[in-house]
Amino acid sequence: QQQVKQSPQSLIVQKGGISIINCAYENTAFDYFPWYQQFPGKGPALLIAIRPDVSEKKEGRFTISFNKSAKQFSLHIMDSQPGDSATYFCAASGMGSSNTGKLIFGQGTTLQVKP
Amino acid sequence: NAGVTQTPKFRILKIGQSMTLQCAQDMNHNYMYWYRQDPGMGLKLIYYSVGAGITDKGEVPNGYNVSRSTTEDFPLRLELAAPSQTSVYFCASSYSGRGVTDTQYFGPGTRLTVL
Repeated sequence: QQQVKQSPQSLIVQKGGISIINCAYENTAFDYFPWYQQFPGKGPALLIAIRPDVSEKKEGRFTISFNKSAKQFSLHIMDSQPGDSATYFCAASGMGSSNTGKLIFGQGTTLQVKP
Repeated sequence: NAGVTQTPKFRILKIGQSMTLQCAQDMNHNYMYWYRQDPGMGLKLIYYSVGAGITDKGEVPNGYNVSRSTTEDFPLRLELAAPSQTSVYFCASSYSGRGVTDTQYFGPGTRLTVL
């Protein structure tokens, strides 16, 4: 029930294309769904996050789509650029007694954007 | 603000040696976390702390110990290092209060090799 499953493991997209990464969760107590971006040799950094009271959140070229009934959420990167090449992690957490705000991470997706 | 700082950046240990990974944050965050990141496996929570003097186990605590005597510092101790502890270690911090979890901010990581 604590797992977050992320797919695909790797993704290659042409410059200007749309990158889509999907995540699925099981624990209905989760109420915070962030996406982290990690460049080689660096720590993960928050990219965008959503709470389940909305179905979509957009920040620039990055959009989270959230489907509460299906327990799925996805990251869409529009007009993908070579500088977006990184590893992306989805995560989930909740403030129920079993979570105490701890993040459960997906396995990560390595994105390569070809010029 | 320096954010979350970690030392050292790199370390090579021999089997059976011990060491302490240092982590400090200057954002007055109450929550702090230690993760390990192995290739293709995402981030796994080792230990976390919800405030000075309070720590708890995460998903993979065996072989590690932590303490939190101040709000700012959260060192991770490895006793009797084993090759299975070869990994990249990340420290993170966040502010959590009134039932809401805020963004986790990550340090730059410590790359540890046990030979």
